[in-house]
Amino acid sequence: AQKVTQAQTEISVVEKEDVTLDCVYETRDTTYYLFWYKQPPSGELVFLIRRNSFDEQNEISGRYSWNFQKSTSSFNFTITASQVVDSAVYFCALDGGFKTIFGAGTRLFVKA
Amino acid sequence: EPEVTQTPSHQVTQMGQEVILRCVPISNHLYFYWYRQILGQKVEFLVSFYNNEISEKSEIFDDQFSVERPDGSNFTLKIRSTKLEDSAMYFCASRPRGGAYEQYFGPGTRLTVT
Repeated sequence: AQKVTQAQTEISVVEKEDVTLDCVYETRDTTYYLFWYKQPPSGELVFLIRRNSFDEQNEISGRYSWNFQKSTSSFNFTITASQVVDSAVYFCALDGGFKTIFGAGTRLFVKA
Repeated sequence: EPEVTQTPSHQVTQMGQEVILRCVPISNHLYFYWYRQILGQKVEFLVSFYNNEISEKSEIFDDQFSVERPDGSNFTLKIRSTKLEDSAMYFCASRPRGGAYEQYFGPGTRLTVT
């Protein structure tokens, strides 16, 4: 069975702090993809990153960075120097074929 | 940039009524999906559709639900007799044939059943 666990339900930080959102997944597939999505208060899902199971290179995009570790089945997301506009729910997701399994989401509050 | 569109953005219906949620996937995509998100909860897979048939469906997708691709562009989700617990955001997604498993999500339809 496939599963995605985001243990942090809510995180509250002050602007300019760094914050890491954790994601742990379970799958028996050897080929799969991992994703992070942002869901702002308006409700749409905003794609942030995709990683395939064969690519363990970490990635940095501006203030965002992702750490994929297959050995621990984790795909963590770090926001550096957080801003109020980063306040949203962030979902980690796993896709091994015909469907995407989402984690429960982490609600991030960034206070000014 | 091409995008998935969904109509309506918000639909209010009475319990027991039938609703049809509409999606227009990206034109060259061949795999289509519906997901549901009850307010404050996670996004849940409902059904995937490929080559004019259902590929996979979740336990949520019971006989009350059906999907259809009535023409070359639309992909619809029908709920035959809505219940209060069907109130949720419904997301459509599509994926290109093969390649990366990235699904492109539409903006969602908020369904409110009263």
